[in-house]
Amino acid sequence: QQQVKQSPQSLIVQKGGISIINCAYENTAFDYFPWYQQFPGKGPALLIAIRPDVSEKKEGRFTISFNKSAKQFSLHIMDSQPGDSATYFCAASSSTGGGNKLTFGTGTQLKVEL
Amino acid sequence: DTGVSQDPRHKITKRGQNVTFRCDPISEHNRLYWYRQTLGQGPEFLTYFQNEAQLEKSRLLSDRFSAERPKGSFSTLEIQRTEQGDSAMYLCASKMGGPADTQYFGPGTRLTVL
Repeated sequence: QQQVKQSPQSLIVQKGGISIINCAYENTAFDYFPWYQQFPGKGPALLIAIRPDVSEKKEGRFTISFNKSAKQFSLHIMDSQPGDSATYFCAASSSTGGGNKLTFGTGTQLKVEL
Repeated sequence: DTGVSQDPRHKITKRGQNVTFRCDPISEHNRLYWYRQTLGQGPEFLTYFQNEAQLEKSRLLSDRFSAERPKGSFSTLEIQRTEQGDSAMYLCASKMGGPADTQYFGPGTRLTVL
């Protein structure tokens, strides 16, 4: 059972544009929603994370928007740069049982073109 | 470097052989997680430890897989009688206990079973 659905599978954005990646979850026990960035041959690195008590969190060019009633959250990358080209994963975990294990989406391969 | 380290980075083995991977977490982290990532997919949870206690194992972890964290520091993941379907990236992550949520990932061990 896929508990976190992610779209799109791939995304091409022009330099300076906005990249938007969407995720939806099913398990209402989830209470922590991180986004990870992964480059080829590397482990995932935390980009930004949000808890459901806020609807938006911004860190530099990266913003998470969170809609608790719709059980959806999204990552916005402003002023996208070629160095942002990577695979992005949304994830979710619960602090009530399950040891905070992460459930990941299937990933979005982002390419930022000049 | 005080991040999560994994060894080896790459392992090629023949079907039926046993392999063992090692993970060294960030030193003050008492939780350690193992995930498996196949090509084009997000990481999938395998198991986790709180100090030396293995607290949860995924159904993905068949009885050919065993993990240990003998002194609550480094961990090993062993796969016995490897199969071609075991080919994947094996990722280790660690985090502080308590309310701290961020899991920090290592670079992974890429396993290829011929």
